[in-house]
Order: sequence, then structure tokens, then C-alpha cells
Amino acid sequence: KAGVTQTPRYLIKTRGQQVTLSCSPISGHRSVSWYQQTPGQGLQFLFEYFSETQRNKGNFPGRFSGRQFSNSRSEMNVSTLELGDSALYLCASSMTGVHETQYFGPGTRLLVL
Amino acid sequence: AQSVTQPDIHITVSEGASLELRCNYSYGATPYLFWYVQSPGQGLQLLLKYFSGDTLVQGIKGFEAEFKRSQSSFNLRKPSVHWSDAAEYFCAVGETSYDKVIFGPGTSLSVIP
Repeated sequence: KAGVTQTPRYLIKTRGQQVTLSCSPISGHRSVSWYQQTPGQGLQFLFEYFSETQRNKGNFPGRFSGRQFSNSRSEMNVSTLELGDSALYLCASSMTGVHETQYFGPGTRLLVL
Repeated sequence: AQSVTQPDIHITVSEGASLELRCNYSYGATPYLFWYVQSPGQGLQLLLKYFSGDTLVQGIKGFEAEFKRSQSSFNLRKPSVHWSDAAEYFCAVGETSYDKVIFGPGTSLSVIP
């Protein structure tokens, strides 16, 4: 089985722009979660989607949004980028939810200039 | 509020020595407990997990962890460390009433040949 894939792997944007990151889960997995990883804050939960519905959301501003498609692929969008949004964004998939084993993708490294 | 602490930011051990990484959590109910490892440039990989039952859990790569409810701890151990174990280790905790998992700040492991 192919693992979790994330595109793009690297991204450079400037302040004020918006960005869309993509995540393709392992085949058969219906839960997709997104995390932000920074040296200062560590791994922080952004949100989780299951069957195209957001089930839970972390403590991030509304500039961070996501969606999930019928094939379980997920996208996250960050609007009006700030310097502090520079981070590694990780996507994880599991069969039904975060309480199971989550399989992580390699991440998208976003640099905001 | 739920929290996860990993008291050791960085640990250095000699190859062949034993290893114990500490994890303490604060949760109201019986938690789900995980240990993940992140190697440089890699996504996170699950080492082991505890949901219920035997409090000593065996994982991959020769790792084990013990759940001690009285101490709110879930420490990770390995009897003999290999150079390839150098990585960042994350303890994570979830709870049945919440659809999210909280990650600890991580412990960076260096291995001296």
C-alpha cells in the first residue's frame, strides 16, 4: 500500500499570500488530520476530517481552514500568510480516527518571507 | 486542561547503553497513549501504543513502554540503543471523549558510537 503523500514538499510564499497544501491518505483510510510543527511550539493539532466533515479543530485562527473530498483526499488552506506560519505541516491518516494508529506523511515545509 | 510533558529535551547515550525516555500526562479519564519517532527529514512513525490491558507494551525496533496510572506516566525504554535510534521522540495522548491527540514537546536522542 502506498503511504500518505503530501504535495508540495516545499513551498516559499510571502506575507499576505495564501497557500493550499494537499494530502492523499492511505487507501481505505477515512480520517485525515493536520498538524503544524515548529521548533518553538512543537506539534500542534490543526483539525481532523472524517467522511468530508470536520470533526475537531485545534486552537488556530480562522485563516487556517481545510476540507476533505469524497475520495478522502484533503486540503488545507492558509490565507493572509504571516511570518509565524512558517512551519512543517504534517498530514496523518487513519481508518476511523485519531485514536487509532495515525500514519504520517513526510510533510510540507512552508517558508513565509 | 489536558497536557503532556516530556521532561528531557535532549538525551545523549552511548551505543549499546540502555535508554529510558520519560512522559507524563494530565488527563481526566483513561487515556490512549502513543510513542512516535521522527528521524531527520522523515515523517512520524508509530513505535507503540496503549489502549487498555497489559500495562507493558511492546513496540517496533525493540522498544517497550510501561503505563503507570498512579504516576500518570508512560515511559519508553530500550535495553540496548543503536546508532540508528538517534531521532526525535514524541509521546502523545488522546482521550475517548476528545477527537484529538495531544503531542508532547519531544525528546531529542543523540547516540555516541
